[in-house]
Amino acid sequence: GAVVSQHPSWVICKSGTSVKIECRSLDFQATTMFWYRQFPKQSLMLMATSNEGSKATYEQGVEKDKFLINHASLTLSTLTVTSAHPEDSSFYICSARDPFSSGQFTDTQYFGPGTRLTVL
Amino acid sequence: GENVEQHPSTLSVQEGDSAVIKCTYSDSASNYFPWYKQELGKRPQLIIDIRSNVGEKKDQRIAVTLNKTAKHFSLHITETQPEDSAVYFCAPLNNAGNMLTFGGGTRLMVKP
Repeated sequence: GAVVSQHPSWVICKSGTSVKIECRSLDFQATTMFWYRQFPKQSLMLMATSNEGSKATYEQGVEKDKFLINHASLTLSTLTVTSAHPEDSSFYICSARDPFSSGQFTDTQYFGPGTRLTVL
Repeated sequence: GENVEQHPSTLSVQEGDSAVIKCTYSDSASNYFPWYKQELGKRPQLIIDIRSNVGEKKDQRIAVTLNKTAKHFSLHITETQPEDSAVYFCAPLNNAGNMLTFGGGTRLMVKP
């Protein structure tokens, strides 16, 4: 149980274009999802918290107009990188929490496989 | 916000030896303490976690110990195997923000 998927797994785009990344909870309903980015050999940095049916909460320094987050259903959150530039190239990972988990702590976050974005 | 530090940043051990990674945090209200393992290019995977009402938890070769007074918790891996080679992250829960704050990571290398 508690499987999170992401699509696409990798994407290459031209500078100035927009890219949408999907994060899905496959076997549970996630009221809250989280978006992280990870540069090579570095830790995960939280970008924003995505709440179903409401606006996302962005971390300090993350441009909300550049990284658009939509959490329209209990199983899907999307991250759109608008007007992508080479410095946006990174590994983007989402995670979700199962609020009704019976076997694990409800604080446990389950991670998607990540999306490697390369902007040329 | 929560300040999280991990030590060491790299750790090389011989197969069969034990490995210990320590994580210190600043938020005394933190009450959930997970450890994640990440292999190159893959997702972080939860390997063990603990709540603040427990001092130690064990799962086969892996254990986590918690010292809430001193605000640190440690990952212990016994009888290490080459497949344990990965980057390990601690990520205490910032209870006020209800989010995880990741440490800088520890690269563990187990030499056969």
